[in-house]
Amino acid sequence: AQKITQTQPGMFVQEKEAVTLDCTYDTSDQSYGLFWYKQPSSGEMIFLIYQGSYDEQNATEGRYSLNFQKARKSANLVISASQLGDSAMYFCAMREGWSSARQLTFGSGTQLTVLP
Amino acid sequence: EPEVTQTPSHQVTQMGQEVILRCVPISNHLYFYWYRQILGQKVEFLVSFYNNEISEKSEIFDDQFSVERPDGSNFTLKIRSTKLEDSAMYFCASSGQDNEKLFFGSGTQLSVL
Repeated sequence: AQKITQTQPGMFVQEKEAVTLDCTYDTSDQSYGLFWYKQPSSGEMIFLIYQGSYDEQNATEGRYSLNFQKARKSANLVISASQLGDSAMYFCAMREGWSSARQLTFGSGTQLTVLP
Repeated sequence: EPEVTQTPSHQVTQMGQEVILRCVPISNHLYFYWYRQILGQKVEFLVSFYNNEISEKSEIFDDQFSVERPDGSNFTLKIRSTKLEDSAMYFCASSGQDNEKLFFGSGTQLSVL
């Protein structure tokens, strides 16, 4: 089974609108972390937001928020007030277990296009 | 803001040649990683490094690969004899002891001809 599933290969959103990018995960660990990264066409991997499995509040970072629904094993990224510069590939990733040395497992990504 | 720095940004090499990809992690970070992304595919874990030794490695990280932290700042990935299928974007990443976030460098695009 896939550990990270991103079901939307591509998404379009109008500038200034909000958009939700879906991510579901599969783990039997009680302790895990969920990440979202942005990859523009230039290729770098930019950290956006992190949610720990024990965090009770949904993570927020500026225009980014993570809608964490533990029972459903979902960790959707919400981008508010989309900007043209938000057009990029977005990856959801998970780290299982307690040690910081554990690897990240990535989803297949969602290509977001913001329309003017 | 501190960042992970990778050099070179692009590397072209002939099949069978050795390459060394260089990374300078964030200065107070303790855990170091290499990932790669073949064009159009998922980002894949290669190796994690802590306390001067490999913590975990994937099946991709075979005997052709090695990592080293030669001094207090650099973290390198060496591919001894490159193959065509090693062509990919290679990302270095680091995280701190109490900081669960993993920060990536901007990547080295390796092209093996």
